[in-house]
Amino acid sequence: EPEVTQTPSHQVTQMGQEVILRCVPISNHLYFYWYRQILGQKVEFLVSFYNNEISEKSEIFDDQFSVERPDGSNFTLKIRSTKLEDSAMYFCASRPPWGSGGVDGELFFGEGSRLTVL
Amino acid sequence: AQTVTQSQPEMSVQEAETVTLSCTYDTSESDYYLFWYKQPPSRQMILVIRQEAYKQQNATENRFSVNFQKAAKSFSLKISDSQLGDAAMYFCAYRTALWTGANSKLTFGKGITLSVRP
Repeated sequence: EPEVTQTPSHQVTQMGQEVILRCVPISNHLYFYWYRQILGQKVEFLVSFYNNEISEKSEIFDDQFSVERPDGSNFTLKIRSTKLEDSAMYFCASRPPWGSGGVDGELFFGEGSRLTVL
Repeated sequence: AQTVTQSQPEMSVQEAETVTLSCTYDTSESDYYLFWYKQPPSRQMILVIRQEAYKQQNATENRFSVNFQKAAKSFSLKISDSQLGDAAMYFCAYRTALWTGANSKLTFGKGITLSVRP
């Protein structure tokens, strides 16, 4: 069964460094998302992406964050200058078009990338 | 803004018994979707069940059912005949039914860790 895959599974970085988290969504999906979960807190929406542009972003998604889909398969989240408070589990998700079968609105998630900022 | 609250951080159930996981939400909208997602250890979140707010009938998927109380804004998940494989973190999530653009994000609760005792 097709899955959303994320790399790396765990990354440790120094504060101020740039980090790129990678995601390969399911191939026929058109809508892409990044969420994050700080340990013990809620899963928080960061950004959604469709048709090669950001559809919606949260207050968390400031100028330090960017997303792109450079080659039609990968979907990346870049954090330009990491801060201690960026330490979290980052989840990528994708979903197919409405009416394409299955449960409408269902998001398919990757296993997450754990980011630790020291 | 919509909020989702899961006030129980952990629950435990004996194998073959029934357990109910609680979720409340707050919204001013009348039409929306509610979801329960399951995240086994080191695995991705997968959809367990979905409820459409305009439907009075509670959704059911095999051993999983919900108790949807729209007036009380409550959406609990009942797991019958609990199995060891049900041990996971369970997230309640909300999605508007309004057309707000190409993507509508999910708003998650903090999650509940369910353990199943053999």
